[in-house]
Amino acid sequence: ETGVTQSPTHLIKTRGQQVTLRCSSQSGHNTVSWYQQALGQGPQFIFQYYREEENGRGNFPPRFSGLQFPNYSSELNVNALELDDSALYLCASSLGGGGVFGQGTRLTVV
Amino acid sequence: QQQVKQSPQSLIVQKGGIPIINCAYENTAFDYFPWYQQFPGKGPALLIAIRPDVSEKKEGRFTISFNKSAKQFSLHIMDSQPGDSATYFCAASKGNTGGFKTIFGAGTRLFVKA
Repeated sequence: ETGVTQSPTHLIKTRGQQVTLRCSSQSGHNTVSWYQQALGQGPQFIFQYYREEENGRGNFPPRFSGLQFPNYSSELNVNALELDDSALYLCASSLGGGGVFGQGTRLTVV
Repeated sequence: QQQVKQSPQSLIVQKGGIPIINCAYENTAFDYFPWYQQFPGKGPALLIAIRPDVSEKKEGRFTISFNKSAKQFSLHIMDSQPGDSATYFCAASKGNTGGFKTIFGAGTRLFVKA
């Protein structure tokens, strides 16, 4: 299986709710990184998972959390959603070097 | 300092022209400098990347020039085509166990006129 798959592709949530986004990494890749991309901006690093452990975190509050599973797929969880959380959420899998990005999940918080 | 500064914000060139996008970084610990291309509604796709021990790298119509002492690098697109119209991001990362944490520039929106 090739490529990185994210689900869902679009999502609308209400402020204060919780959301879980999913990412299937490219075959053979053991590292998954999550990014938030606001409209017209570059992706901002949220955190990275390597072999099921968090391996670095960007400037995001604890209500952003994640998991990586033994098959290296990953989840991003966001609690207590705020309007500013509306963005494209990207995951990238890698085995060292540049990551391969999925198509993203467009999250809208209303 | 983790920032990567990218310019210009937007760029319009004629078909066949050579758009140049510039980036600057502060953290000398960065050791991998990729460029990504992103079309609307899609995730970024890796175009070309360079490491700081090389001053230039060419892949097809895309060339990275790297100036380690100035902490700057740039992307040149030769013989640009309308299909190259997209947003381009430079990035910098530091490798460590398990992968590379990547810091992105703000992006350059390129439009190539037919």
